[in-house]
Amino acid sequence: DQQVKQNSPSLSVQEGRISILNCDYTNSMFDYFLWYKKYPAEGPTFLISISSIKDKNEDGRFTVFLNKSAKHLSLHIVPSQPGDSAVYFCAASPNSGNTPLVFGKGTRLSVIA
Amino acid sequence: GAVVSQHPSRVICKSGTSVKIECRSLDFQATTMFWYRQFPKQSLMLMATSNEGSKATYEQGVEKDKFLINHASLTLSTLTVTSAHPEDSSFYICSARETTSHNEQFFGPGTRLTVL
Repeated sequence: DQQVKQNSPSLSVQEGRISILNCDYTNSMFDYFLWYKKYPAEGPTFLISISSIKDKNEDGRFTVFLNKSAKHLSLHIVPSQPGDSAVYFCAASPNSGNTPLVFGKGTRLSVIA
Repeated sequence: GAVVSQHPSRVICKSGTSVKIECRSLDFQATTMFWYRQFPKQSLMLMATSNEGSKATYEQGVEKDKFLINHASLTLSTLTVTSAHPEDSSFYICSARETTSHNEQFFGPGTRLTVL
């Protein structure tokens, strides 16, 4: 049973426009969420995170929104740039302990110049 | 952010040999490290959780005798693929959680293993 779902395997966006990547989760014990970016043949890079006590966290061009009641989060990138083309993984974790992150399957974002 | 290194970055070996991959946290201490593998165009699959000074916890379906994990210090975990076969060819990635971190995991650059 997949606890973290990224239902869109791919997304294409024009340069300069907004990219919206979505993520849904099923485990109500999750209360910390992260987004990672991954280029081919490289390890994932941490992008941005959000705790369940917030509904929005912003860092430059990247904003993550969390809707706890819907168990849904999204990553907004604006404006999108060609260098943003990568696979984006959503991850979730319960707050405490050494439990590993649970990853979604990823969404491949292509930003077209 | 914190830096995690992996060595080697790429290895090609013959079937039946063993390969050791090192994962180091360079500027922080990590009581817990994680090992993942990724097949082409698929998600990261957690293999095991490695805790410093104790036995690793393996995910269901991962053979502990096949994938030996040692976490001897707060900055080093090793994954040894024993008697490697072509189906073990994959991209292996480690991550480390900083002891004082909320829950962020920092990933190494990955190791591409090709078994001939």
